Amino acid sequence: LAKTTQPISMDSYEGQEVNITCSHNNIATNDYITWYQQFPSQGPRFIIQGYKTKVTNEVASLFIPADRKSSTLSLPRVSLSDTAVYYCLVGDWDRDDKIIFGKGTRLHILP
Amino acid sequence: DGGITQSPKYLFRKEGQNVTLSCEQNLNHDAMYWYRQDPGQGLRLIYYSQIVNDFQKGDIAEGYSVSREKKESFPLTVTSAQKNPTAFYLCASSIEAEKLFFGSGTQLSVL
Repeated sequence: LAKTTQPISMDSYEGQEVNITCSHNNIATNDYITWYQQFPSQGPRFIIQGYKTKVTNEVASLFIPADRKSSTLSLPRVSLSDTAVYYCLVGDWDRDDKIIFGKGTRLHILP
Repeated sequence: DGGITQSPKYLFRKEGQNVTLSCEQNLNHDAMYWYRQDPGQGLRLIYYSQIVNDFQKGDIAEGYSVSREKKESFPLTVTSAQKNPTAFYLCASSIEAEKLFFGSGTQLSVL
């Protein structure tokens, strides 16, 4: 699994767009990028997954540049309830059966 | 409705005691996982199983044991050999490795 690097923490305000960037310089050709969200005392929840360019769903967007060495999770118009830890994972899920979580990014939304 | 259930929500262990954490899923998923989370930290993989009657050690398997006798169940035993068992334990299942479904967790504390 490719190693990922994320900021330890971020603060933002309600109504703002929040972008969390993840670096994965050693990403392999077959690796996908997956993001999870975790609230306190709960298990992580799958948010979004992508391979290249841009992916959007009802919760977030994922931007992946052409070299795929980084990715950005974008949360539009955040609210207090978006305060959580966000994890970036990179792997070839057809080959890798160990799924490893890093420390994630602790996002704190302020009123 | 379908999901993954962990019990109990809170568990207390005495010195020298083995305790077992339950994890049941009715999602018909083949793969199941156990993670440990310490305060303010990411998730660390203890054990995982891709199929019934087979399981592999994760990164921190020492002091833990598992069984996978049924597809629906993947119990974790925290043995007396685990000297620092206080943590939040999360069970997950998946049908595709990149998308995990988590239970609500068990908080284990030492008396």
